[in-house]
Amino acid sequence: DAGITQSPRHKVTETGTPVTLRCHQTENHRYMYWYRQDPGHGLRLIHYSYGVKDTDKGEVSDGYSVSRSKTEDFLLTLESATSSQTSVYFCAISEPIQGHTEAFFGQGTRLTVV
Amino acid sequence: AQKVTQAQTEISVVEKEDVTLDCVYETRDTTYYLFWYKQPPSGELVFLIRRNSFDEQNEISGRYSWNFQKSTSSFNFTITASQVVDSAVYFCALGNFNKFYFGSGTKLNVKP
Repeated sequence: DAGITQSPRHKVTETGTPVTLRCHQTENHRYMYWYRQDPGHGLRLIHYSYGVKDTDKGEVSDGYSVSRSKTEDFLLTLESATSSQTSVYFCAISEPIQGHTEAFFGQGTRLTVV
Repeated sequence: AQKVTQAQTEISVVEKEDVTLDCVYETRDTTYYLFWYKQPPSGELVFLIRRNSFDEQNEISGRYSWNFQKSTSSFNFTITASQVVDSAVYFCALGNFNKFYFGSGTKLNVKP
């Protein structure tokens, strides 16, 4: 199994509060991703990173920011959580140069905004 | 635009039946990859297979087989002699080197 750890695994927070989710990898993969999973929508890309301090937006990036100060860590921040951000969040990694064109996923973080 | 369509929202079969999960994709890229993932009730996402756009050979792995047809932009997944443990949500995905696009998933219920 790919070494990907997401924390926390579950979180309940109040509307308007900031929330940070962490993804940590031990595979030294260059690419890291944050997806959200909602019923009927599959997985939708929020942000991704292609190296330290190199990030880009995905299809549902509004209300989210990311940071990557080290290869192994990719943080997702909800600056002011809203109920529409209640979801399951997945981190993923890939490394095309090593032939790992597929994405490997963490176990997910269930976030509830009340 | 990149898009993956899994028209079957939910499928129910009885154990030992064969079942095919459909996946249709759209892309303008000439080099791309197609994937299938399994999400069992426990929630993790398990990688099953990768196919690149230049390799249309079908693949078989045990009870699983995949049919890739560029002419119809399809990458279908067949489970032969289904088992209860196959019950899960299955996602088809399209990717290039730096992004992955997922379909909405097909929930497969295999009843004993």
